[in-house]
Amino acid sequence: SQKIEQNSEALNIQEGKTATLTCNYTNYSPAYLQWYRQDPGRGPVFLLLIRENEKEKRKERLKVTFDTTLKQSLFHITASQPADSATYLCALEFGESGNTPLVFGKGTRLSVIA
Amino acid sequence: DTGVSQNPRHKITKRGQNVTFRCDPISEHNRLYWYRQTLGQGPEFLTYFQNEAQLEKSRLLSDRFSAERPKGSFSTLEIQRTEQGDSAMYLCASSLGLLAGGKETQYFGPGTRLLVL
Repeated sequence: SQKIEQNSEALNIQEGKTATLTCNYTNYSPAYLQWYRQDPGRGPVFLLLIRENEKEKRKERLKVTFDTTLKQSLFHITASQPADSATYLCALEFGESGNTPLVFGKGTRLSVIA
Repeated sequence: DTGVSQNPRHKITKRGQNVTFRCDPISEHNRLYWYRQTLGQGPEFLTYFQNEAQLEKSRLLSDRFSAERPKGSFSTLEIQRTEQGDSAMYLCASSLGLLAGGKETQYFGPGTRLLVL
């Protein structure tokens, strides 16, 4: 069966450190992999999108890698801040970006401790 | 505010009642999606529209659920004869769809939280 796994339900790190979140998938060949941030009681907010032929994408303190051989994406937040505390969701897309339903993982709840 | 809006934000109902939620997408967006999210889980796809046409429905969408997008703008999601298992956050998202040429993603609304007693 098809499955998306995010490394842990919760991750606690010290302010200023780099947070690394993992997304693994099986039996998929996604065209795109996306990361979203979700705060309690709110809808997900898009952060980064990476295509199957891209290895790495950066945006400010965020970095995403995509290894289609390992079927894994890593999401990094450098110089983490308490304001980065949220749930981070990995999502796969199989068609043209924005045109097909997203398949989400369960998310990892990140807590950045001051 | 030009983001996706959803109403109501919260709904408490008794088992067996019907409920209807509304989603107003970003105005120029052609695609509109409904997802359901329960506690500790990621959003799960329910259905989506290209303009007014409903293109796909998930197996999660039982016959008690119906969605419409009559004029290709706002959408409604109705649940008939609600059950306690329907309690969840119902999320709407929109995107530019085919006009974006693969360069666009989905933008989510704040969700409607449903509690069935």
